[in-house]
Amino acid sequence: DQQVKQNSPSLSVQEGRISILNCDYTNSMFDYFLWYKKYPAEGPTFLISISSIKDKNEDGRFTVFLNKSAKHLSLHIVPSQPGDSAVYFCAAIGGSQGNLIFGKGTKLSVKP
Amino acid sequence: EAGVAQSPRYKIIEKRQSVAFWCNPISGHATLYWYQQILGQGPKLLIQFQNNGVVDDSQLPKDRFSAERLKGVDSTLKIQPAKLEDSAVYLCASSPGHRETQYFGPGTRLLVL
Repeated sequence: DQQVKQNSPSLSVQEGRISILNCDYTNSMFDYFLWYKKYPAEGPTFLISISSIKDKNEDGRFTVFLNKSAKHLSLHIVPSQPGDSAVYFCAAIGGSQGNLIFGKGTKLSVKP
Repeated sequence: EAGVAQSPRYKIIEKRQSVAFWCNPISGHATLYWYQQILGQGPKLLIQFQNNGVVDDSQLPKDRFSAERLKGVDSTLKIQPAKLEDSAVYLCASSPGHRETQYFGPGTRLLVL
């Protein structure tokens, strides 16, 4: 039973255009959401996060949007660069222990 | 600041053998996590430590997996005996406290033949 879902296994975008990665969740107790980026043979690297009390958080080229009513969040990368090519994981935290629940990931390919 | 260190980076063993992984978290981080990432899946939490105490081990297969965190710093994760389905990347992460951003090590890729 997947509580965090990333329904697109892969996404291909042209350099300079916008990349939009989507994530859905089922557990309304989740109150903090994070995006991690992972290159091959490396561990996930924290990218950006958002609290459930906000609907948008921006950091440079990266913006995360949260729609609580739809239980949906998205990561926008503008403009996309070839170095952004990686697997992106959506993760959620709920409960007192702070355990991360990850989606399966979306592989982003940014073509020059 | 040094990141999370893990060793070995790769390990190949035969089923029913035992194996151990080591993790050194970021200095000063009280919380340490072990995750299992099977190919095509997201990381799944195995165990969480707060200092040297276990906070959550509900998803740890305790009949074959064990973990300890001595003196609240380094940690080891052991599998004995290994099964084919244990083939995965084992990731260690640490954070200053629980419910804070987690920082991951490079992982140990295990292949069980």
